[in-house]
Amino acid sequence: GQQVMQIPQYQHVQEGEDFTTYCNSSTTLSNIQWYKQRPGGHPVFLIQLVKSGEVKKQKRLTFQFGEAKKNSSLHITATQTTDVGTYFCAGPTGNQFYFGTGTSLTVIP
Amino acid sequence: DGGITQSPKYLFRKEGQNVTLSCEQNLNHDAMYWYRQDPGQGLRLIYYSQIVNDFQKGDIAEGYSVSREKKESFPLTVTSAQKNPTAFYLCASSLTQGYDEKLFFGSGTQLSVL
Repeated sequence: GQQVMQIPQYQHVQEGEDFTTYCNSSTTLSNIQWYKQRPGGHPVFLIQLVKSGEVKKQKRLTFQFGEAKKNSSLHITATQTTDVGTYFCAGPTGNQFYFGTGTSLTVIP
Repeated sequence: DGGITQSPKYLFRKEGQNVTLSCEQNLNHDAMYWYRQDPGQGLRLIYYSQIVNDFQKGDIAEGYSVSREKKESFPLTVTSAQKNPTAFYLCASSLTQGYDEKLFFGSGTQLSVL
């Protein structure tokens, strides 16, 4: 079956440093979605990328979809304590959403 | 407010016991899903339903059962056959089951074994 891997699994950064998480799929994805889960909370949809090579920005967050549509990345510039949480990518395939393993971000004030 | 409501927030299961987790949505969404979340393993799909009275197994359906008798409700039963049920269970819905639909999640149920 399809597998979606994310690296790193954990990341600790000083407040103000940048952060990047990478998502890799074993198969080509029709699109990629990103979700954020705050500690003790539930995943919340952030964004969807559809086109090969697509780049989207949300304030300090930059999302990128690979040319082959098998990988994606989320980059956060100048992290803040509000960025703390686990970031998941999700690759819809057919009738199912396959979630990545997630990257847990800790921001040290 | 529209949303997805999961109950209870915490649930304890005794050995050999079946327990049922509730999931209700008032978003008028057709599709509903159950995911299991274990630390460091992301979200794994248990069951999903595209329409009332129809549901499909996900990757880890063994030891679980569901029903979809009403559009707004998709309860999950964790049976005694599920030998390692301790996990955080998340219910989600989407408008349809199209590939470009985003998921809305409930606040989750933490299930533990006594």
